[in-house]
Amino acid sequence: GAGVSQSPSNKVTEKGKDVELRCDPISGHTALYWYRQSLGQGLEFLIYFQGNSAPDKSGLPSDRFSAERTGGSVSTLTIQRTQQEDSAVYLCASSLGWWGNTDTQYFGPGTRLTVL
Amino acid sequence: LAKTTQPISMDSYEGQEVNITCSHNNIATNDYITWYQQFPSQGPRFIIQGYKTKVTNEVASLFIPADRKSSTLSLPRVSLSDTAVYYCLVGVLSGSARQLTFGSGTQLTVLP
Repeated sequence: GAGVSQSPSNKVTEKGKDVELRCDPISGHTALYWYRQSLGQGLEFLIYFQGNSAPDKSGLPSDRFSAERTGGSVSTLTIQRTQQEDSAVYLCASSLGWWGNTDTQYFGPGTRLTVL
Repeated sequence: LAKTTQPISMDSYEGQEVNITCSHNNIATNDYITWYQQFPSQGPRFIIQGYKTKVTNEVASLFIPADRKSSTLSLPRVSLSDTAVYYCLVGVLSGSARQLTFGSGTQLTVLP
């Protein structure tokens, strides 16, 4: 596709349930990033992929959060046993190259997660 | 604790020049400074990127002093459509680790 896509656009779940959020990066982009943006707040880095490996997982807030990337393309962010504080917009971005902050990141529209 | 700070908000009038500064005291040596614009319910969009001195493109300029501990995004002759939140993005050193960090964001409101 022309840009980064994310699905679903909105997700409402009950506390304690697991959720999966999907990101389709721009074709050919080797780097993929996940961020979280709480209501009215800034962007919080979660995890970064280069290809299928994740050299930087430092931003994952707890062991309930995990992410994987297969085939160097699609990525899934999984949140287990969701809590109300997990409610936020989860943004995915991709870039052409490497973890050097020199490549422009292109963001998707985000998935708005609401945990009741 | 490594922090990247920006003013929370700024107001301006159409046609004026706007300067937004980001402080990043612990910027990593080889890291670039990137600025993004975000409209409500959208993902951030790239504006400009630089390493040192001055960079200019068709929409903005970026000024970076020699010590690189801050950067200033300059928007010439803003219009109502420039009302958005502006973020700086840098890699900062936290102990021996490098962390990719967005600034807290600056809400720019352009008034008619």
